[in-house]
Amino acid sequence: DTAVSQTPKYLVTQMGNDKSIKCEQNLGHDTMYWYKQDSKKFLKIMFSYNNKELIINETVPNRFSPKSPDKAHLNLHINSLELGDSAVYFCASSQVKAGAYYGYTFGSGTRLTVV
Amino acid sequence: DQQVKQNSPSLSVQEGRISILNCDYTNSMFDYFLWYKKYPAEGPTFLISISSIKDKNEDGRFTVFLNKSAKHLSLHIVPSQPGDSAVYFCAVGRSNDYKLSFGAGTTVTVRA
Repeated sequence: DTAVSQTPKYLVTQMGNDKSIKCEQNLGHDTMYWYKQDSKKFLKIMFSYNNKELIINETVPNRFSPKSPDKAHLNLHINSLELGDSAVYFCASSQVKAGAYYGYTFGSGTRLTVV
Repeated sequence: DQQVKQNSPSLSVQEGRISILNCDYTNSMFDYFLWYKKYPAEGPTFLISISSIKDKNEDGRFTVFLNKSAKHLSLHIVPSQPGDSAVYFCAVGRSNDYKLSFGAGTTVTVRA
């Protein structure tokens, strides 16, 4: 039973399209995150929600909009996709504030390719 | 502006020997530090962590060392095993913040 699950695992789409990535965690964690791993392999935070409330919103184009219907779900919607959005997107969750000693639990990632 | 640097993109080590991975950070306000391991097509998994009140934490074959004055941490894997071949990410954070900042990763290859 996967702790943090993301769908889809792979997503290939054309420029200008709108797409969504879904994330669900069954760990009972209070905080969820979206990270982007770019071509240089850095993992950069995009958003974080704590109990459905947005607490981190890094410098991300407003074409990216997170939505958390409940604390077990955090979805990412991307409008008007651009070539530069191609990356691997990771969802993660944590229980204690900022992950502390237990760290995040990551999903397996969604590889987005914009053509 | 990268706050966490892993200057060695790759490391090759013989099975049974020690693997030493290094990580430098820029902000002295960070007070906890973690290492993650990542296999291809999977998400990173938590490996080991250390808080700023310690300078060493050990868990089986994995030991993390922290040098606060140098803003440097390292991960030692002894002995290295073929299953340790993966990408290792260093991550840092502050206890009053929700965010972890990650390095670019070091790819470890353990040779038989």
